[in-house]
Amino acid sequence: KAGVTQTPRYLIKTRGQQVTLSCSPISGHRSVSWYQQTPGQGLQFLFEYFSETQRNKGNFPGRFSGRQFSNSRSEMNVSTLELGDSALYLCASSLRTGAVFEQYFGPGTRLTVT
Amino acid sequence: AQTVTQSQPEMSVQEAETVTLSCTYDTSESDYYLFWYKQPPSRQMILVIRQEAYKQQNATENRFSVNFQKAAKSFSLKISDSQLGDAAMYFCAYRSGNAGGTSYGKLTFGQGTILTVHP
Repeated sequence: KAGVTQTPRYLIKTRGQQVTLSCSPISGHRSVSWYQQTPGQGLQFLFEYFSETQRNKGNFPGRFSGRQFSNSRSEMNVSTLELGDSALYLCASSLRTGAVFEQYFGPGTRLTVT
Repeated sequence: AQTVTQSQPEMSVQEAETVTLSCTYDTSESDYYLFWYKQPPSRQMILVIRQEAYKQQNATENRFSVNFQKAAKSFSLKISDSQLGDAAMYFCAYRSGNAGGTSYGKLTFGQGTILTVHP
């Protein structure tokens, strides 16, 4: 079974631009979570989607948004990019929402904002 | 809000020896799960081991075991017979088991411990 895939793997953007990252979960998984990883703040939860509905959201500004499609693929969007948005963005999928269901992580998208 | 603390930024171990990574957490919840994740240089997060709070028995996965002290809110990871491939950043993580709460569904991570394995 194929793992979680994230595209693109690397991305360079300029301040003020917007960016869309994509995550395809493991087949059959319906929950997708997003995390931001930076050297300073570590790993922080962005949001979780289950059955096309946002179930939870972390403490990030409204510039960070996401959605989930009927095939469970998810996208996250960051508008008006700032230098501080440079990070590794990880997505994780699980069969359903809930702690009993293990999260499987993708390889991440490395975003650099210049 | 839940917090997870890893007090050891870096640890090192000789190949074939045993090393223990520390983790403490703070929560007022009774239903939760604890995890150790490994992140090698490839950046792919890999689940090493999980512990359900309601289980008194410590989890074990081959060379990896935990010491779960619920009252002390401590969750350490022991790696036995360390191998070169164990070198990575290790993260302790917490996940609420309470449906509907603001923390439900999300993993709260510690700052990580870099493990170096010397041949």
